[in-house]
Amino acid sequence: GENVEQHPSTLSVQEGDSAVIKCTYSDSASNYFPWYKQELGKRPQLIIDIRSNVGEKKDQRIAVTLNKTAKHFSLHITETQPEDSAVYFCAASDAGNMLTFGGGTRLMVKP
Amino acid sequence: KAGVTQTPRYLIKTRGQQVTLSCSPISGHRSVSWYQQTPGQGLQFLFEYFSETQRNKGNFPGRFSGRQFSNSRSEMNVSTLELGDSALYLCASSLWDRGSNSPLHFGNGTRLTVT
Repeated sequence: GENVEQHPSTLSVQEGDSAVIKCTYSDSASNYFPWYKQELGKRPQLIIDIRSNVGEKKDQRIAVTLNKTAKHFSLHITETQPEDSAVYFCAASDAGNMLTFGGGTRLMVKP
Repeated sequence: KAGVTQTPRYLIKTRGQQVTLSCSPISGHRSVSWYQQTPGQGLQFLFEYFSETQRNKGNFPGRFSGRQFSNSRSEMNVSTLELGDSALYLCASSLWDRGSNSPLHFGNGTRLTVT
């Protein structure tokens, strides 16, 4: 089955800096890669997703890149703000709709 | 549109008991998935239902089971509870069309504590 590895497990940045979280996946059939943000005590919420026919996608300060050949994808957050502090999860799925999640990255943005 | 609703929010059970958790998906969503979230293991996939049929199953023992009703509401059951079953159980719904994924929308979860 699919295996998703996520790095780093914790990331501390200064407010205004950029943050990058990387994930690798094992199943070449995976074609959907969402990213979820989970604030303390709250539900995971989708922040951005990308499909295998696209190499990059942006939404304001957030961008995701996908390298199908190398089987890795990354989340980029620019101009970080304290409210970006949360746990971020990457995930991968084939058309069967079963998401396999990475282990999560705790992002701390210091004011 | 109402979000995914999970009940109850909190449960405390003792070892050996069984428990049933409930999930009401977003209106129109026919796919319901269940995940177990623990600090050490992250988000682990339990199973996914679509049109009352279990389509996918994760690597959990047979003590974990589920079902989906004709109105897409889903229940998850855990029998013979063990201490290690203590976790946040998250339900997620999605539209899902064959051959194309759609985003999962998570509920607030049920926090189960087994003593």
